[in-house]
Amino acid sequence: DIQMTQSPSSLSASVGDRVTITCRASQGIGNSLSWYQQKPGKAPKLLLFAASRLESGVPSRFSGSGSGTDFTLTISSLQPEDFSTYYCQQYKSPPYTFGQGTKLEIK
Amino acid sequence: QAQLVQSGAEVKKPGASLKISCKTSGYIFTSYAIHWVRQAPGQAPEWMGGITTLNGNTKYSQKFQGRVTMTRDTTANTAYLELSSLRSEDTALYYCARLTMVLTFDTWGQGTMITVSS
Repeated sequence: DIQMTQSPSSLSASVGDRVTITCRASQGIGNSLSWYQQKPGKAPKLLLFAASRLESGVPSRFSGSGSGTDFTLTISSLQPEDFSTYYCQQYKSPPYTFGQGTKLEIK
Repeated sequence: QAQLVQSGAEVKKPGASLKISCKTSGYIFTSYAIHWVRQAPGQAPEWMGGITTLNGNTKYSQKFQGRVTMTRDTTANTAYLELSSLRSEDTALYYCARLTMVLTFDTWGQGTMITVSS
């Protein structure tokens, strides 16, 4: 199975900050990576796919990059509604594994 | 607008089985696969497998092979997840999700909480 490792596990930041979350795959996955945002008690919400493509309706302050084994999710200017948990997920080959998550908290 | 509505929360005894439904609306049911993802309390989501709604073909995570069955009813636009031989580690929120052509989960059900306890 392909293991996905995110860092950091948690992050404190302020409204307006720029933040970056990293995701590393245990083997090359090309650009077969999605990012999801999850709020407590809710289903994950798709933000980006193919490593850098923004899902329809997602604000442009979210961006993604990377290929192969190393990927990043960047939020250019944090808004109050962005404080959530973020997961990367590979879909190169099943089982479609998720990272352990990054909890973004208000400083 | 696509919508997935799941059946309600359940409490199960160890060794029992569960069956969760995922009723879809707002799109052509057989145009998208339905996958199942579970999330134990405080943990990351975990992919369980999926079903091609057009022909019923299934793909399961090796972790659940032998205990899991995914089916669908095209007349009811509904997918089902069955999991047998439940143990306490199966306590989780179970989600169904629609899989797009680019292999993303773009629409999710609201989740079904399953608690396994004696």
